[in-house]
Amino acid sequence: AQSVTQPDIHITVSEGASLELRCNYSYGATPYLFWYVQSPGQGLQLLLKYFSGDTLVQGIKGFEAEFKRSQSSFNLRKPSVHWSDAAEYFCAVGGEYTGFQKLVFGTGTRLLVSP
Amino acid sequence: SAVISQKPSRDICQRGTSLTIQCQVDSQVTMMFWYRQQPGQSLTLIATANQGSEATYESGFVIDKFPISRPNLTFSTLTVSNMSPEDSSIYLCSVEAGTAYGYTFGSGTRLTVV
Repeated sequence: AQSVTQPDIHITVSEGASLELRCNYSYGATPYLFWYVQSPGQGLQLLLKYFSGDTLVQGIKGFEAEFKRSQSSFNLRKPSVHWSDAAEYFCAVGGEYTGFQKLVFGTGTRLLVSP
Repeated sequence: SAVISQKPSRDICQRGTSLTIQCQVDSQVTMMFWYRQQPGQSLTLIATANQGSEATYESGFVIDKFPISRPNLTFSTLTVSNMSPEDSSIYLCSVEAGTAYGYTFGSGTRLTVV
């Protein structure tokens, strides 16, 4: 079955420090991978996506993610975290296996940014 | 990418009543999706709504409890029927804005059932 694992429930990072949020997926075909951010009381905003091609994907707000097929991973990174990055981050997988339109979400990682 | 307007943004409802959530998109889209996010949990797909046909429900969700309408290519509603406190969640609609854009989400409806 298709699944997404985000092993870190909470992460605390100092402002200005680098960030890496982990995402591992299980999928029976070529996956389409997404990272979304959800600020408190808000909907989901797409940070970046991977469909094919270059395995290092650039997104909005200075985020990037790298698709590693051999490790079934799609980790999110940012070189320098800002206080406004504090939010919940969701990794999701979709593709032909799930009828393309259906996304399967991980349980999320809550990012806390300390001064 | 598409812009979604979802309302209400929040509501507090009595158990046994129903709430209808509206989702309006600024462009025509083939499919609209309804998700539920229970407190502290991730998102779970409730159903996929195509214009002109019955919605397709995921396992664990039934039409009697979550009836969906899709009268045209820019609008959909989700009704949460005969509510209980267990229905307290955030409900989000989503559309596929084309492969170049991925999936766009509305701002969500925070429902509390008392």
